[in-house]
Amino acid sequence: SQTIHQWPATLVQPVGSPLSLECTVEGTSNPNLYWYRQAAGRGLQLLFYSVGIGQISSEVPQNLSASRPQDRQFILSSKKLLLSDSGFYLCAWSTRLLGQGFSTEAFFGQGTRLTVV
Amino acid sequence: DAKTTQPNSMESNEEEPVHLPCNHSTISGTDYIHWYRQLPSQGPEYVIHGLTSNVNNRMASLAIAEDRKSSTLILHRATLRDAAVYYCILGGFGNEKLTFGTGTRLTIIP
Repeated sequence: SQTIHQWPATLVQPVGSPLSLECTVEGTSNPNLYWYRQAAGRGLQLLFYSVGIGQISSEVPQNLSASRPQDRQFILSSKKLLLSDSGFYLCAWSTRLLGQGFSTEAFFGQGTRLTVV
Repeated sequence: DAKTTQPNSMESNEEEPVHLPCNHSTISGTDYIHWYRQLPSQGPEYVIHGLTSNVNNRMASLAIAEDRKSSTLILHRATLRDAAVYYCILGGFGNEKLTFGTGTRLTIIP
C-alpha cells in the first residue's frame, strides 16, 4: 500500500534561519507531488506542485523553494525564514495517469507545524 | 483556473442528513469535482469525486447538477466525527494543481 512520510511534525525556527522539510512517498511511482501551507484559521494554499523529477511549478511568489531530486521525494526549502512563513505545511501525492494530465484523489501527510520566532 | 464557491459555515443536527453545496459555474468539460474534508490539526482526507453522474461511496454521496455548474455533497446521517472543514475542488485532465478554496466549516450539534 502507498504511504506518505512527512517530517518533522513540529518545528520552531528563528527568523532568518534556513528551512528544509522533506516528504517521501512509498508504494507508487511517478506520483504528482504537492506542497501546501495553511495559516492559522485559514484555508489551504498551494505552494508548489511537481509532475516529475526536476519539474516544479510555483504557485505563489515567496522566499520558499521546492525540489524533487528523486521520483518520490519532495523537499521544501528556504534560505531565510520570515515570521509570515509560520503555518501548517502539508505534503500530498496523487496518481498521475501516464501520458495524460489527469490527477486522481490526493493523499496528504500528517503535516509539519512550523513556528518562526 | 475554474474556481469553486462554498458557504463559509453550516450546522446540522446529529443523525440527520447534511447537504453541502458547491458552485463551479466555470467548470471545464474535463474537470472532475473532488471533495475533501479536514479534521482539526490533520491533513485533508479524500471523500469522493465525480464527473457527470451522481456517485456513492461508503462515506458520502455526490450529486452533480445536469449542467455541472454546481454539486452537493450528501452525508446521509451526520455524526459528531463528521465535524470538519469540507472542500470542493476541481481537477482533471490538464488541471493537476488541486487548488483548495476556504471550504465549509461543518458543525454537528449533538
